[in-house]
Amino acid sequence: QKEVEQNSGPLSVPEGAIASLNCTYSDRGSQSFFWYRQYSGKSPELIMFIYSNGDKEDGRFTAQLNKASQYVSLLIRDSQPSDSATYLCAARDPLTFGQGTILTVHP
Amino acid sequence: GAGVSQSPRYKVAKRGQDVALRCDPISGHVSLFWYQQALGQGPEFLTYFQNEAQLDKSGLPSDRFFAERPEGSVSTLKIQRTQQEDSAVYLCASSFWDRGIVSGANVLTFGAGSRLTVL
Repeated sequence: QKEVEQNSGPLSVPEGAIASLNCTYSDRGSQSFFWYRQYSGKSPELIMFIYSNGDKEDGRFTAQLNKASQYVSLLIRDSQPSDSATYLCAARDPLTFGQGTILTVHP
Repeated sequence: GAGVSQSPRYKVAKRGQDVALRCDPISGHVSLFWYQQALGQGPEFLTYFQNEAQLDKSGLPSDRFFAERPEGSVSTLKIQRTQQEDSAVYLCASSFWDRGIVSGANVLTFGAGSRLTVL
């Protein structure tokens, strides 16, 4: 079983909607969690990190962490077509990635 | 340099050939990681260096894979006797501190990757 699992997707949402991306992890010792965005043919780029239970907001992005349930999520508000990409959830240590969720935001 | 630089960007090898992939991390970054990303999958951890020391090579898929970072800066990933299943994008990433530092500032910056195709 992979240590970090993401809902397989692909996920398609209309422009302006909220996109919800989910991730579970198996190692209770993991302390920090990251969301990366990867455009097709490009390298992953960091969107957010979180290591405390609860919510963390950064602009249109909100990361949520629930260590008891071993669950991490990313909400994207007011989704834009430019948000269309693969979103990778990762846990440390070492940085272990899920398989990614493809998000498409259609106009 | 300003970012993590990888070369070559694209490499086509015949099955059985040896290949070498280079990573030039951000200057001063202590930690360096190699990942393998197959098409449609997330990156898979291969190996980790803290300066010149290879502290974790648990992700290397076989003894055909070898990595080094002799002076604690540039790293080379070598694949001997390449097989078709080695076809993937090989990503290098670096971070300022040791990987155990839990801090939002200790994030990984990825290079553009080296796409290896084995025929």
